Amino acid sequence: GGIITQTPKFLIGQEGQKLTLKCQQNFNHDTMYWYRQDSGKGLRLIYYSITENDLQKGDLSEGYDASREKKSSFSLTVTSAQKNEMAVFLCASSTGTANSDYTFGSGTRLLVI
Amino acid sequence: LAKTTQPPSMEAYEGQEVNVSCSHTNIATSEYIYWYRQVPHQGPQFIIQGYKDYVVNEVASLFISADRKLSTLSLPWVSLRDAAVYYCIVTDRGNNAGAKLTFGGGTRLTVRP
Repeated sequence: GGIITQTPKFLIGQEGQKLTLKCQQNFNHDTMYWYRQDSGKGLRLIYYSITENDLQKGDLSEGYDASREKKSSFSLTVTSAQKNEMAVFLCASSTGTANSDYTFGSGTRLLVI
Repeated sequence: LAKTTQPPSMEAYEGQEVNVSCSHTNIATSEYIYWYRQVPHQGPQFIIQGYKDYVVNEVASLFISADRKLSTLSLPWVSLRDAAVYYCIVTDRGNNAGAKLTFGGGTRLTVRP
């Protein structure tokens, strides 16, 4: 079985700081995703990538950059952290074909002080 | 306009069967229905997917109405471990299959001993 790993698990940043979150998967999945989840809410799509070096904006891309350096990794950058921001960022991957489900990582918990 | 409507919360006792409903009145012919669940401090986990009629796997069963406007996730013999938020999602596989999995608020299931 494969695994999807997000690093770091916890991230504390300062207002205005650029912060990078990383995601690795060994499923050999083509498509990878970054979602944001605020406390008690559903997930919102930030960016996704259907293949290496591809980037597609989701509904919440403003304030974020992403990079798909290779098939197995997808990183997300918060370009300027907002004070008191607190959220969980979830990475997922899928084969991208019909009948494919998503596999999610455990998340990176961000707190901006 | 939300693509799906679910009850925000449900309660059940251990050993009961739980049926979580989801309304998707504007579902398109190209769209599939997915169910995921999320326990605290974890990413969502795939449960089941379907297009029409009845689908069953080792975890749950999914009934989809004839007009596909309503689906019901059935969990037999729930235990405390089934306490989670359950998300119903409809999505178009399209050319970027699975690229836009949009999560709503979900149904929070509380299981009492």
